[in-house]
Amino acid sequence: AQKITQTQPGMFVQEKEAVTLDCTYDTSDPSYGLFWYKQPSSGEMIFLIYQGSYDQQNATEGRYSLNFQKARKSANLVISASQLGDSAMYFCAMRELYGGSQGNLIFGKGTKLSVKP
Amino acid sequence: DTAVSQTPKYLVTQMGNDKSIKCEQNLGHDTMYWYKQDSKKFLKIMFSYNNKELIINETVPNRFSPKSPDKAHLNLHINSLELGDSAVYFCASSSNTNEKLFFGSGTQLSVL
Repeated sequence: AQKITQTQPGMFVQEKEAVTLDCTYDTSDPSYGLFWYKQPSSGEMIFLIYQGSYDQQNATEGRYSLNFQKARKSANLVISASQLGDSAMYFCAMRELYGGSQGNLIFGKGTKLSVKP
Repeated sequence: DTAVSQTPKYLVTQMGNDKSIKCEQNLGHDTMYWYKQDSKKFLKIMFSYNNKELIINETVPNRFSPKSPDKAHLNLHINSLELGDSAVYFCASSSNTNEKLFFGSGTQLSVL
């Protein structure tokens, strides 16, 4: 079974608008972390935001926020005020402390975001 | 200074050859990783290496072998390269299991 599911292979958003990238996860481990990475066309992997399973508040980093709904096992990324430079692949990832992934970061298949001028 | 550096950035080689990709991190991290990103952009863990403990993803062929001369280096050696090995290989490191991964810039491997 997939540990991380990103149901949107591609998304379009108008410049300056907000966009939500979906991510659901599957784990029975009580302790885990959720991550979002950005991969622009140049290929590097850029860390955006982190949410721990015990964190009470949703994580925020500048224009990025993580909408963490633990009961629904979702960790959606919200990008506010989209910019042309936000066009990239976005990966959701999870790390389980005690689960079968042995502490490794497991990635979803990614969502390609295109920002229109 | 680059935190995680890997070389070469591009590697073109013939089937059957043996090649290595080098990775170094200057962050003082305890754990290093190798990931493979296929043509569909899917990232899959290959190995993690922490304090001389190697954890191997069971789907990785034994033609792939990580070699760590010290805590700051985790090189990837590939024997008898096959067409299906063509991919981008990323090295990464982290300080502990709760921390984010820092990635290298990737090595584009093309097997002809």
